[in-house]
Amino acid sequence: RKEVEQDPGPFNVPEGATVAFNCTYSNSASQSFFWYRQDCRKEPKLLMSVYSSGNEDGRFTAQLNRASQYISLLIRDSKLSDSATYLCVVHNDYKLSFGAGTTVTVRA
Amino acid sequence: SAVISQKPSRDICQRGTSLTIQCQVDSQVTMMFWYRQQPGQSLTLIATANQGSEATYESGFVIDKFPISRPNLTFSTLTVSNMSPEDSSIYLCSVDSGGGSGNTIYFGEGSWLTVV
Repeated sequence: RKEVEQDPGPFNVPEGATVAFNCTYSNSASQSFFWYRQDCRKEPKLLMSVYSSGNEDGRFTAQLNRASQYISLLIRDSKLSDSATYLCVVHNDYKLSFGAGTTVTVRA
Repeated sequence: SAVISQKPSRDICQRGTSLTIQCQVDSQVTMMFWYRQQPGQSLTLIATANQGSEATYESGFVIDKFPISRPNLTFSTLTVSNMSPEDSSIYLCSVDSGGGSGNTIYFGEGSWLTVV
């Protein structure tokens, strides 16, 4: 079983729509959780950390469910510029484990 | 934050040759990492580059294939040895510029290798 698993999508949504997707992780002792964004042919960049209480950053909301070992990301009022691959990332012992990514395409 | 420069940004290599990728950081960092991202796949950690000692390799990666140097706290190299087409990938240098909690990790722009 992979350490981090994501729905690969793609999610193809119109501008202004809400899109949400999850990832699951296998190591119950995982310490920290993040969503990274990766644009085509670019390096990954940190989008946001994910906290147990849930957290928002503008149009982005992240949730963590430790009991079920899943993480979610919700994007509201999606923009064309949100088109990217979103990587679910779990941090353990100074190492990052990446999911394969969820591709989101926002169309005009 | 940390600014990371990787060279080369891309290369086309002949089967059986070796290529060394350089990673330069604009500040001293304790933790440096090398990742591989094969086409359509996510990132896989190759090894942690340790300053002044041998790198720590992840399962499936060995020093003979991916020798790593880390002579100081701002520089590291990854060599991809005896390349085959299966080594065609993006190789990414990463650093943790903070205390190891995961939210201070930055990536270089990657080195895109195509082996023919």
